Amino acid sequence: NAGVTQTPKFQVLKTGQSMTLQCAQDMNHNSMYWYRQDPGMGLRLIYYSASEGTTDKGEVPNGYNVSRLNKREFSLRLESAAPSQTSVYFCASSAQRGTYEQYFGPGTRLTVT
Amino acid sequence: RKEVEQDPGPFNVPEGATVAFNCTYSNSASQSFFWYRQDCRKEPKLLMSVYSSGNEDGRFTAQLNRASQYISLLIRDSKLSDSATYLCVAHDSNYQLIWGAGTKLIIKP
Repeated sequence: NAGVTQTPKFQVLKTGQSMTLQCAQDMNHNSMYWYRQDPGMGLRLIYYSASEGTTDKGEVPNGYNVSRLNKREFSLRLESAAPSQTSVYFCASSAQRGTYEQYFGPGTRLTVT
Repeated sequence: RKEVEQDPGPFNVPEGATVAFNCTYSNSASQSFFWYRQDCRKEPKLLMSVYSSGNEDGRFTAQLNRASQYISLLIRDSKLSDSATYLCVAHDSNYQLIWGAGTKLIIKP
C-alpha cells in the first residue's frame, strides 16, 4: 500500500502564480485533511473533507481552495500565491472524522518568492 | 496563548537514559490526546494515544492529568533511533486536532 501520496514534493512559485497540490490515499478512508507546518508552530488545519462530497474550512483557509475529487483524492489550490504561503504542506487521511489516527503524506515544500 | 504548548527543546539525552517531557493544553473540553513522532523533514506518525488511565507501549509511557491539563511522555532506555520531534495533539469538542509545535529530542551515543 502506498498510503497517502502527495505531488509535487517541492515547488517554487513567484508571487501571484497559482498551483494545485495533489493528494491521494489508497486506504479507503472517508476523511481527508490539508495542513500547513511552519517553524515554531504546530500543524494548522487549512481545510478538511469529512466525507466524499463535503469540504469545510479549518483554522487558516484564506488564500486556499480545495476539491474532494472522489473518495481517494483531495486537492489544494493556491489561486494567487503570496510569500506568507511559504510552508510545508501535508495531506492526511483518517477512517472517519473524529478520534481516529491520521495518516500523513510525505509533504510538499513550497517556497513563494 | 497557544492551545497546546510544548517545550521546543532540544533535549539532549545520552543513550540508555530516561527522558520525559510534558505538554499543556488550554481547552478543558479537550477529549482525546495523542503523541505523534516526526523525523527530520518527514511526515508525522502516530506514536501512541493517551488514555485517562495512562498507557504504556514498550519503552514509552503516556499519562494524562486532567486536573492540571497536561499530558506527558516518558521514554525509558532511550535509543539513538528515538531522536525525533515529538508532537502533542489534543482533540477539541469539534473533533479538530490541535497540534503543539513539538519537542525536539536528540539521543547522543
